[in-house]
Amino acid sequence: SQQGEEDPQALSIQEGENATMNCSYKTSINNLQWYRQNSGRGLVHLILIRSNEREKHSGRLRVTLDTSKKSSSLLITASRAADTASYFCATDLGSGNTGKLIFGQGTTLQVKP
Amino acid sequence: EAEVAQSPRYKITEKSQAVAFWCDPISGHATLYWYRQILGQGPELLVQFQDESVVDDSQLPKDRFSAERLKGVDSTLKIQPAELGDSAMYLCASSLATWNTGELFFGEGSRLTVL
Repeated sequence: SQQGEEDPQALSIQEGENATMNCSYKTSINNLQWYRQNSGRGLVHLILIRSNEREKHSGRLRVTLDTSKKSSSLLITASRAADTASYFCATDLGSGNTGKLIFGQGTTLQVKP
Repeated sequence: EAEVAQSPRYKITEKSQAVAFWCDPISGHATLYWYRQILGQGPELLVQFQDESVVDDSQLPKDRFSAERLKGVDSTLKIQPAELGDSAMYLCASSLATWNTGELFFGEGSRLTVL
């Protein structure tokens, strides 16, 4: 079963533009993570935001978390062709959880040079 | 840089055959996960180990799938017999943390095609 739902499912932009992806989830969480996956490869961790944090930055990445709306967004600024990949949010469920991450369906990002 | 090793990278088999995937996590990572990812979808957790013990296998189809991590290090996921619907990418991941889940480190995956 999937906990997170990403929106949009697919996004196509020009190099240099910003890309925003959204994630909604259903139950309370300890933290929310974003991962990137190049075609046919494994997933790579991008950033983790804890339930008591509202915003986090890492390089060109900015993640926000709104626990009242059960949603998160990932912003990639000044996109590059190399950012072309699928992006997944993953939620670590609340107290009592055994450290299980539930992934959403992902957003496929295409950055055109 | 330490990596999660998986083999084989690609496997083509006929339905009703047995298949096995192997994973060697990053040294010192106590938690190991097997995920299945159908093309175009997100990874779905099959089984989670803490050392050699199964923590969660609620989504593992136990009639045909089995997983073990006998010495708490490397792990094997087996499917017997394989069905057409098992065609997917099988991803292994490991983590240093458990209760407050930190970053997962993924291998490159094993792509299974069942004919």
